[in-house]
Amino acid sequence: DAGITQSPRHKVTETGTPVTLRCHQTENHRYMYWYRQDPGHGLRLIHYSYGVKDTDKGEVSDGYSVSRSKTEDFLLTLESATSSQTSVYFCAISEGQSSRPQHFGDGTRLSIL
Amino acid sequence: GENVEQHPSTLSVQEGDSAVIKCTYSDSASNYFPWYKQELGKRPQLIIDIRSNVGEKKDQRIAVTLNKTAKHFSLHITETQPEDSAVYFCAASIIQGAQKLVFGQGTRLTINP
Repeated sequence: DAGITQSPRHKVTETGTPVTLRCHQTENHRYMYWYRQDPGHGLRLIHYSYGVKDTDKGEVSDGYSVSRSKTEDFLLTLESATSSQTSVYFCAISEGQSSRPQHFGDGTRLSIL
Repeated sequence: GENVEQHPSTLSVQEGDSAVIKCTYSDSASNYFPWYKQELGKRPQLIIDIRSNVGEKKDQRIAVTLNKTAKHFSLHITETQPEDSAVYFCAASIIQGAQKLVFGQGTRLTINP
């Protein structure tokens, strides 16, 4: 399995609180991604990173911010969590270019009450 | 942007029979089409992928076919086994460094013994 660690694995919090999820990789891959998974929607890209301090938006980026200060760490922040952000969040990594597929972490189950 | 539709949403087959899952995509520029398998509570795991310069790819009991003209691709599983029971996701992207995958909604495959 790809060396991807997500933390925390589970979190319950209240509406309006800030939440930060962490993705740590040991593969030294250039690209990192955050997805959310909801029933009936498959996985949807939130943000991705193509290098240290280089990030861009995905298809569902509203209400989320990201940061990547080191190659191995990619943080996803919900500045003020809402109930609609209750979901399972997956981090993924890839080497980029054409030859290598994307691999996923084990996910974080986030519940916002 | 890209849109991926996946059918059926649920599929039940007898052990030993074949299963076929179909996806259509909207962006003719998409050139990379992976398939992921996700068991309950687990991470999505890549099972096979295909690039737009190839029409078909096989890996043991799994095959994927791509019709660029019609913009659809399909997953074929032969000689199904109980361990094939899972949710399967198709995805599409343009490979330009980052793989900004757009996923289908998923197919829950059940293999009946």
